[in-house]
Amino acid sequence: TQLLEQSPQFLSIQEGENLTVYCNSSSVFSSLQWYRQEPGEGPVLLVTVVTGGEVKKLKRLTFQFGDARKDSSLHITAAQTGDTGLYLCAGEHSSASKIIFGSGTRLSIRP
Amino acid sequence: NAGVMQNPRHLVRRRGQEARLRCSPMKGHSHVYWYRQLPEEGLKFMVYLQKENIIDESGMPKERFSAEFPKEGPSILRIQQVVRGDSAAYFCASSPGEGTANTEAFFGQGTRLTVV
Repeated sequence: TQLLEQSPQFLSIQEGENLTVYCNSSSVFSSLQWYRQEPGEGPVLLVTVVTGGEVKKLKRLTFQFGDARKDSSLHITAAQTGDTGLYLCAGEHSSASKIIFGSGTRLSIRP
Repeated sequence: NAGVMQNPRHLVRRRGQEARLRCSPMKGHSHVYWYRQLPEEGLKFMVYLQKENIIDESGMPKERFSAEFPKEGPSILRIQQVVRGDSAAYFCASSPGEGTANTEAFFGQGTRLTVV
């Protein structure tokens, strides 16, 4: 059973469009992280959300943590080709001692 | 460079040989994770260690795979008698090990293992 479900699995959109990707769980997380991974590289930490309902902005990226701390979303405004990559959410589950990752959303931005 | 360092970046082994993957965590980090990634897939948890102690190895195959994080030196992921199915990218991440920042893991650039 995947504790963190990400959707969509794949997304291909035109440059300039907006998009939202989701990270969902039936379990509560004390915090969630979002990472971006480019081909041939390791994942890079983008943001950590801790408080239920929290919203964090990173330039054109907006991250939200659900009120119940079971889900999170990443919204990208006016996507650019440089946003292409694999987006991963991760968190430390209360019953697990390790950081677990969602399966990722593979985002492709067409010029 | 104070980031997580993995070496080698690329490793080619013949079937039956041993592969040793090294990971030096960020300065001040006491916890290390190892993940495996197949092409076009996400990260699969393998093992979680702190110095001289394995915290969680539930993702490690029972045979041929082992990991350690000694008091001194890097963490080592060891794969004995490699098979073609072991070919993958292996990523190491480190975290502080305390407080909420413990869940912020910083990754190395990975070791790409190819078994021929």
